[in-house]
Amino acid sequence: RKEVEQDPGPFNVPEGATVAFNCTYSNSASQSFFWYRQDCRKEPKLLMSVYSSGNEDGRFTAQLNRASQYISLLIRDSKLSDSATYLCVVNQAGTALIFGKGTTLSVSS
Amino acid sequence: NAGVTQTPKFQVLKTGQSMTLQCAQDMNHNSMYWYRQDPGMGLRLIYYSASEGTTDKGEVPNGYNVSRLNKREFSLRLESAAPSQTSVYFCASFLVSGAASLNNEQFFGPGTRLTVL
Repeated sequence: RKEVEQDPGPFNVPEGATVAFNCTYSNSASQSFFWYRQDCRKEPKLLMSVYSSGNEDGRFTAQLNRASQYISLLIRDSKLSDSATYLCVVNQAGTALIFGKGTTLSVSS
Repeated sequence: NAGVTQTPKFQVLKTGQSMTLQCAQDMNHNSMYWYRQDPGMGLRLIYYSASEGTTDKGEVPNGYNVSRLNKREFSLRLESAAPSQTSVYFCASFLVSGAASLNNEQFFGPGTRLTVL
């Protein structure tokens, strides 16, 4: 079983749509969780950290369910500029970040 | 403040040639990483250095060596390049491994696109 699993997509949605991505992780010792965004042929960049209580940043909402070892990202009112690959990332203390393979989002007008 | 820098940006090698990919960060981060990214495979960890003076293997270390020269610099060496090492290589740095905080972001360099013929 992969340490971090994501649906690769692609998710094709119209502008203004709401879209949700899910991610599962296998190691219950994982301590910190993140969503990264990667544009084509660019380096990944942090979108948001994910906290146990859930957190929101504008149109983006991240949720963590430790019992089910599940992380989600919700994007409301999708924009063309949201088109990218979204990477689910987990980390344990003293080790490297583990990246999922990413979910591709394409927003069309 | 340049963040994470990598050189070169592009490189073409012949099978059997050697080269070193350079990475430097100016954010005073403790941890540094090397990843490779291939289509359909996502980011795979090659080696990492949790702190100056230490290095550890990641998921795909075979065919590579690393040197944590000082706190700022972490280099990746291919001793005898093979076509299977054709990939995009990303270096990254991280302030504190394992801590979830608003400021604990892993920063990536722009990548090195390597082709081995």
